[in-house]
Amino acid sequence: DAKTTQPNSMESNEEEPVHLPCNHSTISGTDYIHWYRQLPSQGPEYVIHGLTSNVNNRMASLAIAEDRKSSTLILHRATLRDAAVYYCILKAGNAGNMLTFGGGTRLMVKP
Amino acid sequence: GAGVSQSPRYKVTKRGQDVALRCDPISGHVSLYWYRQALGQGPEFLTYFNYEAQQDKSGLPNDRFSAERPEGSISTLTIQRTEQRDSAMYRCASSLGAGMGNREAFFGQGTRLTVV
Repeated sequence: DAKTTQPNSMESNEEEPVHLPCNHSTISGTDYIHWYRQLPSQGPEYVIHGLTSNVNNRMASLAIAEDRKSSTLILHRATLRDAAVYYCILKAGNAGNMLTFGGGTRLMVKP
Repeated sequence: GAGVSQSPRYKVTKRGQDVALRCDPISGHVSLYWYRQALGQGPEFLTYFNYEAQQDKSGLPNDRFSAERPEGSISTLTIQRTEQRDSAMYRCASSLGAGMGNREAFFGQGTRLTVV
């Protein structure tokens, strides 16, 4: 699997937008970009995924660079409940593949 | 059920004993995955199934670890002759279709295994 690089940690203020970056310079054409998050004492939770176009859902937005070598997860208004470890993962689209987690970014939200 | 269910939630066992961890995936989900997570680390892949067939067991650390899903639904991860280094959170996940490439995976709450 292609590797992703994320900052170890980030801080944000409550009610402000948060941009979580991810670099994936060795991404292949069939790799999907997935984001999961893990709240304290919880299992990982799906956030969003995309292939080429930017994606929006009720939780977040995913902005994908034109060359697909980087992406950004955007939380539009951080809340204290968004404090978690956010994982950026590349996954081939063909059947039979699992998610390979890296270290992720620990997001801290200050009130 | 409403989500992926794992049991027991906590298991304390003595070194050398065998343990069996159970995962009940979301009804109808084809794929089932086992992960292990050490404190402060991301989940580490162990093995996965499509229906009852074990597709990939490359993440199982040694032959003391095995898994089965005989009827394509509930799965059991068995660790024989447990060692202290086996202590970790064991997580199960399931997804509707085969593979996680473009599908959402749902994770259970995990089983916290402590070997003393």
